[in-house]
Amino acid sequence: NAGVTQTPKFQVLKTGQSMTLQCAQDMNHEYMSWYRQDPGMGLRLIHYSVGAGITDQGEVPNGYNVSRSTTEDFPLRLLSAAPSQTSVYFCASSYGGLLNTEAFFGQGTRLTVV
Amino acid sequence: SQQGEEDPQALSIQEGENATMNCSYKTSINNLQWYRQNSGRGLVHLILIRSNEREKHSGRLRVTLDTSKKSSSLLITASRAADTASYFCATDALFGNEKLTFGTGTRLTIIP
Repeated sequence: NAGVTQTPKFQVLKTGQSMTLQCAQDMNHEYMSWYRQDPGMGLRLIHYSVGAGITDQGEVPNGYNVSRSTTEDFPLRLLSAAPSQTSVYFCASSYGGLLNTEAFFGQGTRLTVV
Repeated sequence: SQQGEEDPQALSIQEGENATMNCSYKTSINNLQWYRQNSGRGLVHLILIRSNEREKHSGRLRVTLDTSKKSSSLLITASRAADTASYFCATDALFGNEKLTFGTGTRLTIIP
């Protein structure tokens, strides 16, 4: 059982480049989300989705786009990378519903923007 | 802004001792959860306590919740070197559309 899979694990981008961080889950979870983790700041929610075709903004959405065309996949797109987007990115999923908010996390993508 | 704040930010104890960390949050919640993160890894769910519960146990973990004070504590008994990690509380706010909001974490170091 793979759980939540993120690719790539590491990435270096130049300022202005774009890229997509991939996230896939095989647990048939409805709810998926993206967080970024910066030193001393915990995890901050970027975007989330409560089901295929539905996405919404989190706490820090600027500079990122998401889509949810299938239940399994929830890619995060950086439109024009900036040094401020250097961070570790985590994708998470859960069954959904207020009684099932336990989240399963991927192993993270460490992104450096130079 | 962060919903939860953990206290202390860092904690070092001898192996075998108990570790207690606290979490305070700002708004009414449905559930509060605790997660562990080993260095360089993703977060792993430890325990969930619902807003109508006051205490919950799971193995060596004991979680309490005081909704009147908007606070929770995580107790790890008989600590082991493998418990060295960062611990985060997370809340999903009442009427908050299931979004989880994380605190800044407590870094726990167990000294062998």
